[in-house]
Amino acid sequence: DAMVIQNPRYQVTQFGKPVTLSCSQTLNHNVMYWYQQKSSQAPKLLFHYYDKDFNNEADTPDNFQSRRPNTSFCFLDIRSPGLGDAAMYLCATSDGRYNEQFFGPGTRLTVL
Amino acid sequence: AQKVTQAQTEISVVEKEDVTLDCVYETRDTTYYLFWYKQPPSGELVFLIRRNSFDEQNEISGRYSWNFQKSTSSFNFTITASQVVDSAVYFCALKNSGGYQKVTFGIGTKLQVIP
Repeated sequence: DAMVIQNPRYQVTQFGKPVTLSCSQTLNHNVMYWYQQKSSQAPKLLFHYYDKDFNNEADTPDNFQSRRPNTSFCFLDIRSPGLGDAAMYLCATSDGRYNEQFFGPGTRLTVL
Repeated sequence: AQKVTQAQTEISVVEKEDVTLDCVYETRDTTYYLFWYKQPPSGELVFLIRRNSFDEQNEISGRYSWNFQKSTSSFNFTITASQVVDSAVYFCALKNSGGYQKVTFGIGTKLQVIP
């Protein structure tokens, strides 16, 4: 089945230690998104790619960066995680024409 | 600017009861898309429905139905004969047409179905 895969499902890191979260998709969608979701809140868009065109939200901290080496893969790099970065990170894809997003299972990040 | 309001933060119903989740939106665009997503305790958001602004026809899918009314800027979601498996957080979302503009999510409504 076509799907969005996120690895790892759970990630524990130490304060200030860089961490990379990965997302892959078999849907061949041209748009990929990264969201941060904290407890009892709506997902918050960090950035998205339309093909290789990178779009950063204005309020996304510089601590967060992303790479999309090809259509299938997208990475979220957190350069120096703080305690406030502990959250669920959701990857999603969409076919730009049809707009609905398909989400991966998420990576729950814990910062010690 | 666009905005999605889900006034009900938490709802509890007894199994087999019907429940309606409210969604009110604001947008200046004449063409837009509305969505409902389900987020069960496992965490993965699941797409339920997309509705285009030019299509006000209501939709029914099994126990789920959606009522879209442009006159009141509402896109409400009804679950008939609720089941325990319906327990989840439900998000209403809005996106303007064209390209890849971001989706605006409501805060979500947590539905608990009690056996």
